[in-house]
Amino acid sequence: KAGVTQTPRYLIKTRGQQVTLSCSPISGHRSVSWYQQTPGQGLQFLFEYFSETQRNKGNFPGRFSGRQFSNSRSEMNVSTLELGDSALYLCASSSTGAGNTIYFGEGSWLTVV
Amino acid sequence: GQSLEQPSEVTAVEGAIVQINCTYQTSGFYGLSWYQQHDGGAPTFLSYNALDGLEETGRFSSFLSRSDSYGYLLLQELQMKDSASYFCAVEGDNAGNMLTFGGGTRLMVKP
Repeated sequence: KAGVTQTPRYLIKTRGQQVTLSCSPISGHRSVSWYQQTPGQGLQFLFEYFSETQRNKGNFPGRFSGRQFSNSRSEMNVSTLELGDSALYLCASSSTGAGNTIYFGEGSWLTVV
Repeated sequence: GQSLEQPSEVTAVEGAIVQINCTYQTSGFYGLSWYQQHDGGAPTFLSYNALDGLEETGRFSSFLSRSDSYGYLLLQELQMKDSASYFCAVEGDNAGNMLTFGGGTRLMVKP
């Protein structure tokens, strides 16, 4: 079956702009979580959605937001982009709750200039 | 909060065995996972321990000791393609999928 699909794969934005990233989870998976990966901070949890509700949230400013649709597809948005937001944004999906294997997408590489 | 410590870099030769350790401090704990990530790629699930003991999956094994807050990933019969970063991650005991990752161990396999 198809894996986790993220779009776009690469994008360049200017400071102050906003960006929306999309994620399609593995079919049947209802949990979608987002992570930011940078060389300095490593892999950090942003938030998780389950059945269209945010279930967990990491320590990121309010400029980072997300949502999940009824088909489990998810989007994350970053407003008022800063240079430090340049990172690999990873989406992960899982079937239900804790203890289930989490599968990652290839990620969206965001560069803010 | 949660924190995980793992070595930043390990070097080994092809065909050898290497162990990557991970110690953690958590306010809640559901399980310890290991992920592999090649440069430019996505983290790929390798192994998961919810209970103490050893889990074996082919050339990879993972061990967990809850009493010691310690786990390790064991890679046997190393191949050049095993050169990658390896991350341990804990899943908290709250409902949902929320992983806290260690800083990653970069494994270099030499011929």
